[in-house]
Amino acid sequence: GPKVLQIPSHQIIDMGQMVTLNCDPVSNHLYFYWYKQILGQQMEFLVNFYNGKVMEKSKLFKDQFSVERPDGSYFTLKIQPTALEDSAVYFCASSLDRGNTGQLYFGEGSKLTVL
Amino acid sequence: GDSVTQTEGPVTLSEGTSLTVNCSYETKQYPTLFWYVQYPGEGPQLLFKVPKANEKGSNRGFEATYNKEATSFHLQKASVQESDSAVYYCALSHTNTGKLTFGDGTVLTVKP
Repeated sequence: GPKVLQIPSHQIIDMGQMVTLNCDPVSNHLYFYWYKQILGQQMEFLVNFYNGKVMEKSKLFKDQFSVERPDGSYFTLKIQPTALEDSAVYFCASSLDRGNTGQLYFGEGSKLTVL
Repeated sequence: GDSVTQTEGPVTLSEGTSLTVNCSYETKQYPTLFWYVQYPGEGPQLLFKVPKANEKGSNRGFEATYNKEATSFHLQKASVQESDSAVYYCALSHTNTGKLTFGDGTVLTVKP
């Protein structure tokens, strides 16, 4: 089936550094999402993105977070500066449609460890 | 806002026994309801979805009925297998943005 690829699979950085998580969504998809999952806990929505703009963001999407998708390239989540509480697995997802017809396809996650 | 509440885990069953994972939801929209499954080291993947009230979805022996009156979408399987061991998430989609709101997830372990 359709695949969402995430790079890197695991990154360890020091608190205060910048990190960029990359997502290669399904090729014809139009809607892009980031979710955060702290070990053993629920999937928490961060942000979604369509037509070059953020559609909706949660309270977890702090000012230090940003997303973008320059034409034809990765959909990225940047955290600058990072904090200890940012340690989690970040899942990218994409969908062709939204709402009632939209099925999200998820990547395998990028595990971020902030020391 | 939207919310989803599901059976707290972990749930441990023996192979061949039946499974029920309760799910209830709150929303002011007309949602599509989903069950996703997550295996270790992977992202969630769709088990099935039901866009309309009073309809049933199913896949791989799992099924759930979208009960609009009770605002429930309970997952059931008559006979579980060891390979069903995973985390199961109930979710609903937001009509305007496509955002998925997940329940807390239910960890299922099936013993041979």
